[in-house]
Amino acid sequence: GAGVSQSPRYKVAKRGQDVALRCDPISGHVSLFWYQQALGQGPEFLTYFQNEAQLDKSGLPSDRFFAERPEGSVSTLKIQRTQQEDSAVYLCASSRDGHYGYTFGSGTRLTVV
Amino acid sequence: AQSVTQPDIHITVSEGASLELRCNYSYGATPYLFWYVQSPGQGLQLLLKYFSGDTLVQGIKGFEAEFKRSQSSFNLRKPSVHWSDAAEYFCAVGAGSNYKLTFGKGTLLTVNP
Repeated sequence: GAGVSQSPRYKVAKRGQDVALRCDPISGHVSLFWYQQALGQGPEFLTYFQNEAQLDKSGLPSDRFFAERPEGSVSTLKIQRTQQEDSAVYLCASSRDGHYGYTFGSGTRLTVV
Repeated sequence: AQSVTQPDIHITVSEGASLELRCNYSYGATPYLFWYVQSPGQGLQLLLKYFSGDTLVQGIKGFEAEFKRSQSSFNLRKPSVHWSDAAEYFCAVGAGSNYKLTFGKGTLLTVNP
């Protein structure tokens, strides 16, 4: 597609529920990134894929966070047993060559109640 | 590790006035520097970037930024602000061949008519 598409736009989860956030990158973009943006903060790096390989997951806050990109296109960020501190906007970005020409999606706003 | 400081949390300017948003970075070598803009409910849009060469960089929407190594700064400027420029602005730094971006906390710009 023309841009990076994320769904859902908004998600409300009860504490302890599992959630799955989807990212459709720009067609042909090899690299895919997830960032977390807490209220009033700048985005923080979570993880990076090159095709289907997850090359860096150093930013994932805990083992409750898991990301996959099985066919090198669509990616899913899964959060298990959500906690209130997981409330944030989750941004996905893609780039053609893995360098800094990112295109960001509009994000998924997750609220844990 | 690199870091970014945006000293101004909130700036208010009148429409037609000039604008300067401050950004200071910390990194041992020559960084890659970026300015992004985020409108409410939207993702991040790249305004401009500096990799090397001319230290005065032109971007979209009439914005420019100047890299000053001696001051570790990359301030964003616009000679005449339009009401549509009201948004949050983020400075970011990338290091070497690393694909990760480190963002500042952002500056919220309000434009008065």
